[in-house]
Amino acid sequence: DGGITQSPKYLFRKEGQNVTLSCEQNLNHDAMYWYRQDPGQGLRLIYYSQIVNDFQKGDIAEGYSVSREKKESFPLTVTSAQKNPTAFYLCASRETGANTEAFFGQGTRLTVV
Amino acid sequence: AQSVAQPEDQVNVAEGNPLTVKCTYSVSGNPYLFWYVQYPNRGLQFLLKYITGDNLVKGSYGFEAEFNKSQTSFHLKKPSALVSDSALYFCAVRDINGGYQKVTFGIGTKLQVIP
Repeated sequence: DGGITQSPKYLFRKEGQNVTLSCEQNLNHDAMYWYRQDPGQGLRLIYYSQIVNDFQKGDIAEGYSVSREKKESFPLTVTSAQKNPTAFYLCASRETGANTEAFFGQGTRLTVV
Repeated sequence: AQSVAQPEDQVNVAEGNPLTVKCTYSVSGNPYLFWYVQYPNRGLQFLLKYITGDNLVKGSYGFEAEFNKSQTSFHLKKPSALVSDSALYFCAVRDINGGYQKVTFGIGTKLQVIP
């Protein structure tokens, strides 16, 4: 089945640790995105990538890093510099083109303990 | 800068009644507009989109939306609500003049369908 897979579904992090969230898609989409979702704030863009080996900062990139070494994969690292990392993280992909909709993964809920 | 407003945090409707979830937008050029639905602890699912053409757009699960350029609105509608429609609904806009075709999401409206 085609789709976009995020793992793990739940993740717990101790303060000061880096953690990496996985995002894999087999839709052959060029564009991939990471969003953070907090209650009452909707979705905020962290990073996006329009093509392999290229990515750009979104609106709230501080404390996060990404890589795009393969078309199918766009992992997000939440670093210790992110002061408030507890949130629901969503990965999305879409075909290139202004009128195309995004396909979302099921999300990863990160909790700092 | 583009923006999306969903003025209602929550909408309550009785099962079988028509429902409307409101969305207004602001872009510098022509908009591409989208509606997504999110069930608890899940990702977003695409419902429908407006690109061009007919102002009334039909989508998944019996939902439709009406594009109104003069009022800069794109309200989501359904003639008869189901309890299973209860979820969080997001409106999104993409300005075709944006350099990387950035999409902006609203903060979401929680729809509660009462049996």
